[in-house]
Amino acid sequence: QQPVQSPQAVILREGEDAVINCSSSKALYSVHWYRQKHGEAPVFLMILLKGGEQKGHDKISASFNEKKQQSSLYLTASQLSYSGTYFCGTDNNAGGTSYGKLTFGQGTILTVHP
Amino acid sequence: EAGVAQSPRYKIIEKRQSVAFWCNPISGHATLYWYQQILGQGPKLLIQFQNNGVVDDSQLPKDRFSAERLKGVDSTLKIQPAKLEDSAVYLCASSPMTAVNEKLFFGSGTQLSVL
Repeated sequence: QQPVQSPQAVILREGEDAVINCSSSKALYSVHWYRQKHGEAPVFLMILLKGGEQKGHDKISASFNEKKQQSSLYLTASQLSYSGTYFCGTDNNAGGTSYGKLTFGQGTILTVHP
Repeated sequence: EAGVAQSPRYKIIEKRQSVAFWCNPISGHATLYWYQQILGQGPKLLIQFQNNGVVDDSQLPKDRFSAERLKGVDSTLKIQPAKLEDSAVYLCASSPMTAVNEKLFFGSGTQLSVL
């Protein structure tokens, strides 16, 4: 079952903040976040494991709510380089032993203007 | 370190023709994946290899798609015969899989257009 991302698209000005949500109808054991620029390969941002962990990378951070079966990606003080499509990939493996079998959401298009 | 290499970068064929894509993963990465990404959608896993063995091919349309991983390194994905709905970007990814929840390293993909 594909996770659902919201919103589908976001338009920001430099310096503004954004939140991208990823919800699953099945129990989550981990969530991966990737960013893909047009015509390029998806690039890894971070992995969150079950346990309500929150991680950060520069001004990009994420949370994982196991109970709600959802993850959120927070982009603060956005930069032009943040533009791209953001995908969450979920691991619903009951054993919690992910072997990379991720189910990706449909993506959220983020556009940052000067 | 060199990334995941894929070729060709673009391919245009007519329906019912055959096509093959090649992937060279990052050296030492045990796990290799082929994903299909249709325009406007997230990547969809087609097949996963662990070394030269298939771990999961449940979403691979086996009547027309085939894949192999030679000696646990390079991999090829073939479509024969191609259909219009196969138009997509085919992404190869690899992972060292030395621990649970390893990140994936993606190649730039092969963009296939079936006319």
